[in-house]
Amino acid sequence: DTAVSQTPKYLVTQMGNDKSIKCEQNLGHDTMYWYKQDSKKFLKIMFSYNNKELIINETVPNRFSPKSPDKAHLNLHINSLELGDSAVYFCASSQGRAAYNEQFFGPGTRLTVL
Amino acid sequence: AQKVTQAQTEISVVEKEDVTLDCVYETRDTTYYLFWYKQPPSGELVFLIRRNSFDEQNEISGRYSWNFQKSTSSFNFTITASQVVDSAVYFCALSEAMDNTDKLIFGTGTRLQVFP
Repeated sequence: DTAVSQTPKYLVTQMGNDKSIKCEQNLGHDTMYWYKQDSKKFLKIMFSYNNKELIINETVPNRFSPKSPDKAHLNLHINSLELGDSAVYFCASSQGRAAYNEQFFGPGTRLTVL
Repeated sequence: AQKVTQAQTEISVVEKEDVTLDCVYETRDTTYYLFWYKQPPSGELVFLIRRNSFDEQNEISGRYSWNFQKSTSSFNFTITASQVVDSAVYFCALSEAMDNTDKLIFGTGTRLQVFP
């Protein structure tokens, strides 16, 4: 069973479109995250949710909106996609604070904006 | 401010060579945690190790070993007798206990290529 799953794995879309990436974890964790990995492999936190409550909201354009319907899910919706949004997006989860615990990562979603 | 530096962008070795990946960090916190993650060509991120700031013992796990030195703010990773399957991007990361945002700060990664 996949611990942290993301759909879709690949997403190719035109500029200006709106798209969503879904993330689910079956580990019973209470904290979930979204990271962005750019073409140079640089990984940066975007958001984190703990028990469905937003904890981290880094300097991310407000075109990006996370939604956590329950503890096991953290979806990422992106409005008005731009070329610079092309990247790999990773969902992750941990039990409790990341300071103490390892984060388990999903397989990533490669977003390509044309 | 928190920062993780992996100065080696890319390292190439031949199988069976030993290789050390460097990681230097900056933090103002006295309690913090350091991590190494592996990202193989398939793309997923795999947890390798976690170390807290109060435990400076080196750790060995099979061919992998980690050298944590607070005096130099370094947490280096050594692979002994490297294998082709070790080819991946390796990330060092830092998390601070006093930071209530639970952030993991990643270094820029070191790409390791092991040639047969």
